[in-house]
Amino acid sequence: AQKVTQAQTEISVVEKEDVTLDCVYETRDTTYYLFWYKQPPSGELVFLIRRNSFDEQNEISGRYSWNFQKSTSSFNFTITASQVVDSAVYFCALSNQGAQKLVFGQGTRLTINP
Amino acid sequence: DSGVTQTPKHLITATGQRVTLRCSPRSGDLSVYWYQQSLDQGLQFLIQYYNGEERAKGNILERFSAQQFPDLHSELNLSSLELGDSALYFCASSLQGASGNTIYFGEGSWLTVV
Repeated sequence: AQKVTQAQTEISVVEKEDVTLDCVYETRDTTYYLFWYKQPPSGELVFLIRRNSFDEQNEISGRYSWNFQKSTSSFNFTITASQVVDSAVYFCALSNQGAQKLVFGQGTRLTINP
Repeated sequence: DSGVTQTPKHLITATGQRVTLRCSPRSGDLSVYWYQQSLDQGLQFLIQYYNGEERAKGNILERFSAQQFPDLHSELNLSSLELGDSALYFCASSLQGASGNTIYFGEGSWLTVV
């Protein structure tokens, strides 16, 4: 069975601090895909990144970076120099080969205080 | 803007009633998904259609049904509504129905059952 765990329910930091959101996944498949989505207060789900299981290269996009480690089944997300606009709920999700549906974690509510 | 359009954005209705949520996928996307987000269940996959055909089914109640039309737009029908059906309903789309495709979400339809 597939499962995604985001152990951090809520995180609150002061602006300009770096923050890491943890994501641990479970799957028996060797081919799978990992995603991060952002849900701002307005409610929409915004796609941030997709990662294949056979590509463990870390990725950086501006202030955002992702660390994928198959050995620990983790796909963590770091925001550098956080800003108030980063305040949102962040979801990690998993899909397996042959099953397009996404299995979501419970989300981490991130609050960036000015 | 993801390119996925959902209507209505907000809907308030009474128990026992029936509602229809509408979704237009991104231009060129053949696959449509419906997800439900509630406080107690989190983000749950309901159903997927690919080019008019049902592709996968998740935790969709028998009171709910969906379809995808020849022009690729989709509708989610919710009937005999109960208070517990109050949730944010997302439509999403992807280019193909294959696993690993990025799934883009609409802004959601907020349903309140009173």
